[in-house]
Amino acid sequence: GEDVEQSLFLSVREGDSSVINCTYTDSSSTYLYWYKQEPGAGLQLLTYIFSNMDMKQDQRLTVLLNKKDKHLSLRIADTQTGDSAIYFCAESNTNSGYALNFGKGTSLLVTP
Amino acid sequence: GAVVSQHPSRVICKSGTSVKIECRSLDFQATTMFWYRQFPKKSLMLMATSNEGSKATYEQGVEKDKFLINHASLTLSTLTVTSAHPEDSSFYICSGTPGAGGTDTQYFGPGTRLTVL
Repeated sequence: GEDVEQSLFLSVREGDSSVINCTYTDSSSTYLYWYKQEPGAGLQLLTYIFSNMDMKQDQRLTVLLNKKDKHLSLRIADTQTGDSAIYFCAESNTNSGYALNFGKGTSLLVTP
Repeated sequence: GAVVSQHPSRVICKSGTSVKIECRSLDFQATTMFWYRQFPKKSLMLMATSNEGSKATYEQGVEKDKFLINHASLTLSTLTVTSAHPEDSSFYICSGTPGAGGTDTQYFGPGTRLTVL
């Protein structure tokens, strides 16, 4: 299948901004998502962006999409220790029946 | 938000036995359910897509005779791992969506940790 790539690990200090990056290869990707997975828990949808959008902001979260470069980022402002988790980038499109194609996940560690 | 449960949350079985994992949508009707498998330090891999009342669509490389999926109702899908082997040990996660996808959010279960001895 098409690839979704993320860096595996990110460490930031509490109060700083975190930026998690993701690249994908499928030019027919319709929706791009960010999910959060806390230890022992299921996946929680944080936000999603439609492919014809450049940016979406939701409280502390900002998603930027560069469709030309197939690059997606998630910025978390004022990162808190409770934000420590694994963040998955995912894409879906009509060809896949909207099943999600995930990246490997970025483990975010927020230190005091 | 909508809730999806999975049962059991953790199961240990002997090699050669079969294990059934249930996925239930508790407060919505899941027209479509997806089964994913998560390997350590790897991404979630889609195993199959199931629509209520019809046969599941399996991804390439997933053995349909080994991973039996039944989506018998709009609130229940089951994954049966038949004749389990140690390499089947993994974290299995299901999701449900009220529609066919697109902007319909997929709601994920908490996952089932399968360990095959």
